[in-house]
Amino acid sequence: DAKTTQPPSMDCAEGRAANLPCNHSTISGNEYVYWYRQIHSQGPQYIIHGLKNNETNEMASLIITEDRKSSTLILPHATLRDTAVYYCIVPPPGNTPLVFGKGTRLSVIA
Amino acid sequence: DGGITQSPKYLFRKEGQNVTLSCEQNLNHDAMYWYRQDPGQGLRLIYYSQIVNDFQKGDIAEGYSVSREKKESFPLTVTSAQKNPTAFYLCASSILAGGWNEQFFGPGTRLTVL
Repeated sequence: DAKTTQPPSMDCAEGRAANLPCNHSTISGNEYVYWYRQIHSQGPQYIIHGLKNNETNEMASLIITEDRKSSTLILPHATLRDTAVYYCIVPPPGNTPLVFGKGTRLSVIA
Repeated sequence: DGGITQSPKYLFRKEGQNVTLSCEQNLNHDAMYWYRQDPGQGLRLIYYSQIVNDFQKGDIAEGYSVSREKKESFPLTVTSAQKNPTAFYLCASSILAGGWNEQFFGPGTRLTVL
């Protein structure tokens, strides 16, 4: 399984872009990168996923490096409600479930 | 509204008692999952079910049991054999098994064993 490495915590000023990095140097060619987030005392919520091209949706953008060994989740205008733990996950192959690490705790500060 | 419900939100039990946590989904998903979360930690997989009448152990299945008699329901029993049952329990579902399918999570049940 491709492991991921994320910083344990980050701060971001409200209204600024939050850039959350993730290293996945052992990712294989057909494995996707998924991002979920978990607001305090709630269940995680899917944000976005990608293979090799950059992806954007209404929640965030995902930038994957050309060698696919790392990626960055971008929240373009962070709000206080974006304060959460963000998980970067490379799902195991086959039918096995997601494996959640400790993620990055993002604190958006007013 | 489609979604996953877990009940109750908070649950208190005395040590040595079995307790069953409810998880129901109306998303018509085949796969369902149970995770446990301790303070400051990530989620750890307890059990998962790919289809009705089937389930597999996750990383920390000892002291827990599940059943999957109906597609909509995947109850988790925390038995007295579970040494540290106090935790936040999360149920999830996905249309098919496998982490490459988006998982939808319930609101969680916070279990406290006194």
